[in-house]
Amino acid sequence: GQSLEQPSEVTAVEGAIVQINCTYQTSGFYGLSWYQQHDGGAPTFLSYNALDGLEETGRFSSFLSRSDSYGYLLLQELQMKDSASYFCANGDSWGKLQFGAGTQVVVTP
Amino acid sequence: DTAVSQTPKYLVTQMGNDKSIKCEQNLGHDTMYWYKQDSKKFLKIMFSYNNKELIINETVPNRFSPKSPDKAHLNLHINSLELGDSAVYFCASSPGERAGEQYFGPGTRLTVT
Repeated sequence: GQSLEQPSEVTAVEGAIVQINCTYQTSGFYGLSWYQQHDGGAPTFLSYNALDGLEETGRFSSFLSRSDSYGYLLLQELQMKDSASYFCANGDSWGKLQFGAGTQVVVTP
Repeated sequence: DTAVSQTPKYLVTQMGNDKSIKCEQNLGHDTMYWYKQDSKKFLKIMFSYNNKELIINETVPNRFSPKSPDKAHLNLHINSLELGDSAVYFCASSPGERAGEQYFGPGTRLTVT
């Protein structure tokens, strides 16, 4: 089966760096995605790792290690607007995504 | 320009009624999805269509019926609504070659009373 584990909440101050880990147990794994969701909003695509390694997009980076069934999302230079829920998700080639329970990131002044 | 749009944004209705939610995407994607997000923010896929063809059909009561008139539209019809159907329903789309990269609509908050 497929299940993903990520921390439920992370608190950090503005300007700090936060790493959200995601471990998964799956067969037929195709890639790891990350989404951001603000309260009352829709999930917003952040990154997708199909291959091992680090993908960088501005202040956000995502890493995948298929051999370790592990990935992480790195948020740098935290801003107040980064306070949101962050979901890791894995899926098959058809896009059937299984989502983790989400990590609530709280950024404090 | 709106990429993925859904209507209505809010839907309040009584048990036993039938309702529909509409979704449209102007991204030129071949694949569209319906997700349900419960009160604990857990996101679960319900259906997926690729070029008007059903490719994912999760364990969903058959009161839920998706329809895709063309690859830019995916609608969701729900019969005999129940209290447990109350949730936020999200439509999404993705390019075929990067199925993990999905773009979500604003969501439809369904409340069944």
